[in-house]
Amino acid sequence: KQEVTQIPAALSVPEGENLVLNCSFTDSAIYNLQWFRQDPGKGLTSLLLIQSSQREQTSGRLNASLDKSSGRSTLYIAASQPGDSATYLCAVFSYNQGGKLIFGQGTELSVKP
Amino acid sequence: KAGVTQTPRYLIKTRGQQVTLSCSPISGHRSVSWYQQTPGQGLQFLFEYFSETQRNKGNFPGRFSGRQFSNSRSEMNVSTLELGDSALYLCASSVTTGTDTQYFGPGTRLTVL
Repeated sequence: KQEVTQIPAALSVPEGENLVLNCSFTDSAIYNLQWFRQDPGKGLTSLLLIQSSQREQTSGRLNASLDKSSGRSTLYIAASQPGDSATYLCAVFSYNQGGKLIFGQGTELSVKP
Repeated sequence: KAGVTQTPRYLIKTRGQQVTLSCSPISGHRSVSWYQQTPGQGLQFLFEYFSETQRNKGNFPGRFSGRQFSNSRSEMNVSTLELGDSALYLCASSVTTGTDTQYFGPGTRLTVL
């Protein structure tokens, strides 16, 4: 059974810091991995999607890497800003899970001015 | 291009009632998935529809059902509401399958009293 874990559960950093959010998964048979952002009481915004054959994806100040063999992904945020404050969720689409996204519990990020 | 829309945004119901939630996907998207989000369980997959057919189903009781119309709009229904059904219900659309980038709506906040 695929399980997705995100560490840490919460993170507080001063503005301008570079930071890394971690995501691990137990079954390496995945199609892809997606990182989402969720603001309080809102829906999810897709940030990056990495196909299983890719090693990383970049969008602006965000860079996501994928190491399928070790079951790990990281989301790197450069030069953090208060507007980056949100909950970040990773999700994997597995071969063996009946065609659905399996989500981690998220990392709640707070960037202090 | 308009995003995923969900109606209503907020609902308050009492135990035993039933409720219908609606989701309009991004134009051209044919796959719609539904998720339940609660503080304790996180995001859990309910079902996925593609071309009016349920393609995948999560581990929820039969009180949870859905359908998709020929214009790709989808509805989900919960009958005989229980207190534990209080949650944020999110729908996501993608072009063809769940392996594509998932675009989420703002959600419907259901409160069961």
